Amino acid sequence: AQSVTQLDSHVSVSEGTPVLLRCNYSSSYSPSLFWYVQHPNKGLQLLLKYTSAATLVKGINGFEAEFKKSETSFHLTKPSAHMSDAAEYFCVVTHGSSNTGKLIFGQGTTLQVKP
Amino acid sequence: AAGVIQSPRHLIKEKRETATLKCYPIPRHDTVYWYQQGPGQDPQFLISFYEKMQSDKGSIPDRFSAQQFSDYHSELNMSSLELGDSALYFCASSSTGTGNYGYTFGSGTRLTVV
Repeated sequence: AQSVTQLDSHVSVSEGTPVLLRCNYSSSYSPSLFWYVQHPNKGLQLLLKYTSAATLVKGINGFEAEFKKSETSFHLTKPSAHMSDAAEYFCVVTHGSSNTGKLIFGQGTTLQVKP
Repeated sequence: AAGVIQSPRHLIKEKRETATLKCYPIPRHDTVYWYQQGPGQDPQFLISFYEKMQSDKGSIPDRFSAQQFSDYHSELNMSSLELGDSALYFCASSSTGTGNYGYTFGSGTRLTVV
């Protein structure tokens, strides 16, 4: 069965410093992987998605993630954090071998950005 | 561009009452998904519909039911509400052509049971 594990429930960085949010996946198939962001009392916004075309995926707002099959990881990074990046981040994997069907969410990582 | 529309945005109900949540998918999207996100929790899959037929079922209580109509909008019906049903309920839609790559979430309905 597919699953994702977000290794940190809470990450705190200073504004202008790099961000690293860690995610490991488990999948019997070649997975489809996503990162979503949720600001307080808001909906889920797609940051980026891994479509197997390239292992380094660039998303919105300067975020990117690298798919590493050997490490079963899909960590999210950003070179320089902004205050507006403070939010909840979810690593997500598709259920099953197709690219349709339900999404399986990780437990979430709360990103705090200090001035 | 049109997004996934959910109504109402907020809903307050008393225990044992019923609630109906509505979801209007992106035009030409044929698949609708419902998720429940409890306080401080990650979203949990409830149920999905493809072309008006139930396509998958997750951890949806028997007190809940859902359907997709001919215009592709979907409704989640919740009866005998319990305090633990208080959560943010998300609807998402996609088309089989784009699958998860075109998955779009609505802003959610926040249900509070008192």
